[in-house]
Amino acid sequence: GESVGLHLPTLSVQEGDNSIINCAYSNSASDYFIWYKQESGKGPQFIIDIRSNMDKRQGQRVTVLLNKTVKHLSLQIAATQPGDSAVYFCAENSGGSNYKLTFGKGTLLTVNP
Amino acid sequence: GAVVSQHPSWVICKSGTSVKIECRSLDFQATTMFWYRQFPKQSLMLMATSNEGSKATYEQGVEKDKFLINHASLTLSTLTVTSAHPEDSSFYICSATSLAGGTYEQYFGPGTRLTVT
Repeated sequence: GESVGLHLPTLSVQEGDNSIINCAYSNSASDYFIWYKQESGKGPQFIIDIRSNMDKRQGQRVTVLLNKTVKHLSLQIAATQPGDSAVYFCAENSGGSNYKLTFGKGTLLTVNP
Repeated sequence: GAVVSQHPSWVICKSGTSVKIECRSLDFQATTMFWYRQFPKQSLMLMATSNEGSKATYEQGVEKDKFLINHASLTLSTLTVTSAHPEDSSFYICSATSLAGGTYEQYFGPGTRLTVT
């Protein structure tokens, strides 16, 4: 299940299940959103992105859904594998030439074999 | 894909000393680089935006005299933590932007773990 810890929400799933990670973003002017995966001691790794003119985008085993009405973003991972265990961050960009990103709180995904 | 490196990957220094962290874009030119700080179990917090050949833009609450940023070329930005203290111990991550196909892509480095004793 999902729980909110002192700093980092956690999600624990069984291998093979689908995972859904949620994110509420803050700026209604944001027009570009990205999901990153971060393994312990490493930098963020790009997973998938979506622009504000779309509400769904699919990649390999991942789907991102965007609901601009409620400023909500979700990442769906199909057939979750132990290698998917990591912290997942959503990030938003409110436009501008410098491409500055604002990161969400992050969710720790643990996949149990 | 584009690769961003950081050096060193980890460093331990004594309180009061200064530490320099390098961020390099290895196979592309980056007009803009960003520096983030990440404390354990927390998100990435943007410290500053660094544009080649100009002064860095610091986020609110980040001391520019303590965290010196130099972006002397399109492939190298450095962050110097001056007079480091234990509370500066953190994971420092840089990213670099590349304009590809009319849109900006942002690539992250592997991070530098700083421990101040």
